[in-house]
Amino acid sequence: DAGVIQSPRHEVTEMGQEVTLRCKPISGHNSLFWYRQTMMRGLELLIYFNNNVPIDDSGMPEDRFSAKMPNASFSTLKIQPSEPRDSAVYFCASSFREWNTEAFFGQGTRLTVV
Amino acid sequence: QKEVEQDPGPLSVPEGAIVSLNCTYSNSAFQYFMWYRQYSRKGPELLMYTYSSGNKEDGRFTAQVDKSSKYISLFIRDSQPSDSATYLCACAYSGAGSYQLTFGKGTKLSVIP
Repeated sequence: DAGVIQSPRHEVTEMGQEVTLRCKPISGHNSLFWYRQTMMRGLELLIYFNNNVPIDDSGMPEDRFSAKMPNASFSTLKIQPSEPRDSAVYFCASSFREWNTEAFFGQGTRLTVV
Repeated sequence: QKEVEQDPGPLSVPEGAIVSLNCTYSNSAFQYFMWYRQYSRKGPELLMYTYSSGNKEDGRFTAQVDKSSKYISLFIRDSQPSDSATYLCACAYSGAGSYQLTFGKGTKLSVIP
């Protein structure tokens, strides 16, 4: 298996633009997680899905952030409009079960908003 | 106070040394305790997982959990340059239809040949 696949690996965008990050989880995993990592705040859970249904989005910082999982093999995290403080590395992770003791992370998307 | 506190380091040790990495947590509801390793510009990968208090050993790595003092540790024996990475502790609980996983900020470790 290729593991969790995220795209793009790097994204540089101007403030105010819409950004869409994509994730393909490992086949057969039924839980998917979006994290954001910064030096200041470390790794933070933004939202997680179980069987394609959003379970907890309390970590989503603002209404500018939205996430979807239209099917078991694809998820998106969208930021609209983007701001410089959104600059971070965004990780997607998947696991067999909701209690992601064995979560597998993607390589991350490094987002820079200028 | 963050729920999971971890000294960010950096920590630099000579090859072959024993490394001790530690975290404290404040939420007594945490049931699962994990250590992840993250190489530069990569995603975290699960290294060790323990449930409740006790020790768990895997090769050169030993994870310890002391729920009474809310303290978790990772020991690396005979450290190797390939162990150079950032180590993140993580604590989790589930209940009431939800799930909570909280990471420490990570400790950057360098093992010098």
